[in-house]
Amino acid sequence: QQQVKQSPQSLIVQKGGISIINCAYENTAFDYFPWYQQFPGKGPALLIAIRPDVSEKKEGRFTISFNKSAKQFSLHIMDSQPGDSATYFCAAYPPGSARQLTFGSGTQLTVLP
Amino acid sequence: DAGITQSPRHKVTETGTPVTLRCHQTENHRYMYWYRQDPGHGLRLIHYSYGVKDTDKGEVSDGYSVSRSKTEDFLLTLESATSSQTSVYFCAISALTSGTLGEQYFGPGTRLTVT
Repeated sequence: QQQVKQSPQSLIVQKGGISIINCAYENTAFDYFPWYQQFPGKGPALLIAIRPDVSEKKEGRFTISFNKSAKQFSLHIMDSQPGDSATYFCAAYPPGSARQLTFGSGTQLTVLP
Repeated sequence: DAGITQSPRHKVTETGTPVTLRCHQTENHRYMYWYRQDPGHGLRLIHYSYGVKDTDKGEVSDGYSVSRSKTEDFLLTLESATSSQTSVYFCAISALTSGTLGEQYFGPGTRLTVT
């Protein structure tokens, strides 16, 4: 059972545009929501994360918007650049020990020059 | 990659042979994880460890075993490799101490092909 659903599967954006990736979760016990960025041949790298008591978090051109009542969160990449072309994964942590991450299926972003 | 190395980085093996992948960390983090990454599935947890000799199963543990005899090393073993285990395997570490939210940091991955 997929507990975090991510869309779209792929996204093509022009340079300077806004990239938006969406995720929906089912388990209301999730208490931390990171986004990972992965370049080809590399491991995922933590990009930005948010807790459910915050509706928005911004770090540079990257913003997470969180809607607790709708059980949805999204990543916005402002002024998208070709160097942002990568695969992006949303994820969620349940509370408790070990903190086993549940990942979305990933979005392949291509930013055209 | 946050002081995490994986070996080998690439491996081709035949069906039925045993395979061991190694994850080594220099961060002295308590928690270590093994994931596999397949197209359309994101990353799925295979096994994790919460201390030396303390391990537990993840979502897709069938056909895999793990061992952790030292804080810095976490081994993933495929006892008898099958073609369905062809994948990219990632190790991750986490500190999970007070003041942190348990962020996980990933290694560079091992691409395993089972023929």
